Amino acid sequence: TQLLEQSPQFLSIQEGENLTVYCNSSSVFSSLQWYRQEPGEGPVLLVTVVTGGEVKKLKRLTFQFGDARKDSSLHITAAQPGDTGLYLCAGATGNTGKLIFGQGTTLQVKP
Amino acid sequence: DTAVSQTPKYLVTQMGNDKSIKCEQNLGHDTMYWYKQDSKKFLKIMFSYNNKELIINETVPNRFSPKSPDKAHLNLHINSLELGDSAVYFCASSPTGRGTEAFFGQGTRLTVV
Repeated sequence: TQLLEQSPQFLSIQEGENLTVYCNSSSVFSSLQWYRQEPGEGPVLLVTVVTGGEVKKLKRLTFQFGDARKDSSLHITAAQPGDTGLYLCAGATGNTGKLIFGQGTTLQVKP
Repeated sequence: DTAVSQTPKYLVTQMGNDKSIKCEQNLGHDTMYWYKQDSKKFLKIMFSYNNKELIINETVPNRFSPKSPDKAHLNLHINSLELGDSAVYFCASSPTGRGTEAFFGQGTRLTVV
């Protein structure tokens, strides 16, 4: 069974701090996606990383895919209250579109 | 002009009842999915359809039956509802089903009492 271990599960920080969320697996994924979910809404894609070692930046968010395509990280610089939400990593397997999700990281950024 | 819309958003029903959740996407995508999100926010795939054909059927009780009348619609029917079925159910779609972005609906919060 393929699993994605996401950590930490909960994170409460002050505005302006930096943070990193990790997503680890013993399985290789063809791509890895990061989603953000707000209360009462469905997850919304932030980024997809495909190549081992790939780094993508989205404003203050930096995403990295591990060289072996088994792990990924999301780093947020100078977090803002608007970053508050549930962050989910998801690994894609095969060609069916099936996504294996991590347990999620609930981030709270206090003003 | 919602991309993936599902109805209803909230569903409260008694144990033993049968209920359906409807999903429609206007993105022209070929692949649609049902995911279940439990109380701990863990999302797990249930079913996937590609052009009306079932391609993923995870270990889900056969009380759950998906139906895809056309590639823009994927409905979920649940028979004999149980307390443990309480969760948020998300419909999603993607262009090719090959690890591309999934677009999610707003979810249906099902509460079985």
